[in-house]
Amino acid sequence: GAGVSQTPSNKVTEKGKYVELRCDPISGHTALYWYRQSLGQGPEFLIYFQGTGAADDSGLPNDRFFAVRPEGSVSTLKIQRTERGDSAVYLCASSFATGQRDTGELFFGEGSRLTVL
Amino acid sequence: AQTVTQSQPEMSVQEAETVTLSCTYDTSESDYYLFWYKQPPSRQMILVIRQEAYKQQNATENRFSVNFQKAAKSFSLKISDSQLGDAAMYFCAYPFFGNEKLTFGTGTRLTIIP
Repeated sequence: GAGVSQTPSNKVTEKGKYVELRCDPISGHTALYWYRQSLGQGPEFLIYFQGTGAADDSGLPNDRFFAVRPEGSVSTLKIQRTERGDSAVYLCASSFATGQRDTGELFFGEGSRLTVL
Repeated sequence: AQTVTQSQPEMSVQEAETVTLSCTYDTSESDYYLFWYKQPPSRQMILVIRQEAYKQQNATENRFSVNFQKAAKSFSLKISDSQLGDAAMYFCAYPFFGNEKLTFGTGTRLTIIP
């Protein structure tokens, strides 16, 4: 597609439920990133994929969070046993980055706002 | 500490005037990039401008320019001829561990006064 697409745009769930957030990156972009943005804060890194593999998942806060990218394109961020503190905007980005320290611009989607009641 | 600091939570500027947003960072590296991203109400982060640390010349993109002071670890964004569409949150970002792990500041909310 023309840009990074994220669904759903908004998700309201109850504490303890399971949630999936989807990201469809720009066609041809090999790198895909997930960030979390809490209210009043800048985005915080969660996980980075280069192709199908998670090159760096050091930002995932705990084992309730998991992300996949099985075919090297669409990615799904999965949150188990959601807690109120998981409420945030989850941003996805993609780029042509090779995994090296480069100047690749990140192209962001509009995010998925998760509210856990 | 690897931090990016934006000390101005909010700024406002009259339409057509110039405004400067501040950013400082802490690093021991000598070669790196710095970024300013804009986040309008749509939530989509958009790259405004990028500065390469080894370049002496400050980056410029149309009405947007930076004042990069490497020794002071300062990276401010200047917006000239402010327009209503410039109203947004602005985030400074530094790739402490590579471009995929950008560290963002807490942002500055810019309001344009008609």
